[in-house]
Amino acid sequence: AQKVTQAQTEISVVEKEDVTLDCVYETRDTTYYLFWYKQPPSGELVFLIRRNSFDEQNEISGRYSWNFQKSTSSFNFTITASQVVDSAVYFCALSERGRGSTLGRLYFGRGTQLTVWP
Amino acid sequence: GAVVSQHPSWVICKSGTSVKIECRSLDFQATTMFWYRQFPKQSLMLMATSNEGSKATYEQGVEKDKFLINHASLTLSTLTVTSAHPEDSSFYICSARDQRLANYGYTFGSGTRLTVV
Repeated sequence: AQKVTQAQTEISVVEKEDVTLDCVYETRDTTYYLFWYKQPPSGELVFLIRRNSFDEQNEISGRYSWNFQKSTSSFNFTITASQVVDSAVYFCALSERGRGSTLGRLYFGRGTQLTVWP
Repeated sequence: GAVVSQHPSWVICKSGTSVKIECRSLDFQATTMFWYRQFPKQSLMLMATSNEGSKATYEQGVEKDKFLINHASLTLSTLTVTSAHPEDSSFYICSARDQRLANYGYTFGSGTRLTVV
């Protein structure tokens, strides 16, 4: 079973619109970590946020905000007032606790291609 | 911040030849390195996990004799694609786990785009 589901394959918006990227995860661990990464056309992965399972506080960073809801196993990402430079593939990922207190491997969702039109 | 340098950025090779991709952690010790492969418009698929000084653990379906991983030091891990074929053309990206980084945890290389002709 997929551990991370990003149901939206592609989203297109016009500049200045708000857009929410959905992420649903599945894990049996009580301690886990959730991530969002941005992958522009150049290919490198840009880290956006990491969230621990025991910290359900939502977070805002500039135009970016994240909504973590353990009750629905979701970790959605909203971009406010989108810009053309936001166009990229966005990946949600999950890491479970590895041996000891180390981070285990990352499980990636399939990614959402966001296109922001001028 | 932590940096993983991955080389080469892109490579074109002839079918049947081998290609080596290097990932170096520049300012931290990467005890664990993950190697991913990404086909166009697809997600990152974990190929193998390597721990310094021990044999890599390969994911199901990944041929260990074809994708040789060496992690001989705490700052260098290499992936060698042996006898490459056109179907091996892909984007390969490494990721180091750094336990020092409370907020990150993983640092990714910039990726290698391999084209086999």
